[in-house]
Amino acid sequence: DTGVSQDPRHKITKRGQNVTFRCDPISEHNRLYWYRQTLGQGPEFLTYFQNEAQLEKSRLLSDRFSAERPKGSFSTLEIQRTEQGDSAMYLCASSLGPGLADEQYFGPGTRLTVT
Amino acid sequence: EDQVTQSPEALRLQEGESSSLNCSYTVSGLRGLFWYRQDPGKGPEFLFTLYSAGEEKEKERLKATLTKKESFLHITAPKPEDSATYLCAVPPSIKAAGNKLTFGGGTRVLVKP
Repeated sequence: DTGVSQDPRHKITKRGQNVTFRCDPISEHNRLYWYRQTLGQGPEFLTYFQNEAQLEKSRLLSDRFSAERPKGSFSTLEIQRTEQGDSAMYLCASSLGPGLADEQYFGPGTRLTVT
Repeated sequence: EDQVTQSPEALRLQEGESSSLNCSYTVSGLRGLFWYRQDPGKGPEFLFTLYSAGEEKEKERLKATLTKKESFLHITAPKPEDSATYLCAVPPSIKAAGNKLTFGGGTRVLVKP
């Protein structure tokens, strides 16, 4: 399967711990996005990479959140000092570019539960 | 700020009972509008992109249409396997930078046999 993959699929952590999620985009896609989705809501944008450059960050992305995409391949999203409000599904998507409206393809998500 | 509103929030249909979902948006200078399907516990699955008013796209029992203010997703003679949440989303306006998608809250569709 050559779709977007995410790891882990589920993560349970205690408040105050750090967590890191990984996303592997579709191989030829140079754009990568992170979104967060809570129950009953649509996904909310967190951040966007073009190759290895982080070009956009949402105001939702507090200083406890950091994302990287070394060498323009896979990406990681780290949350430090987790809070119960961080419980959500974290979705990664990728797109080919360079168009103004290229389709974003989503991975299966990582479900985070903070206890 | 770009806004996307979907209605209804939930829809219960009998198998074979056709219906339409609405997505209204406030983006001046639309680059495109996307429809996704999302099953419980999974990531959104891409369905369609619409670029300009009057455009229509079809896939099996689904047809998406676009006007200058809204988009409709028509489900014709639905089957239980069409049960899912349907999301619409828009990128920033053509005057703005970036590629983030702004999503609506989704319409949860349940098709009963």
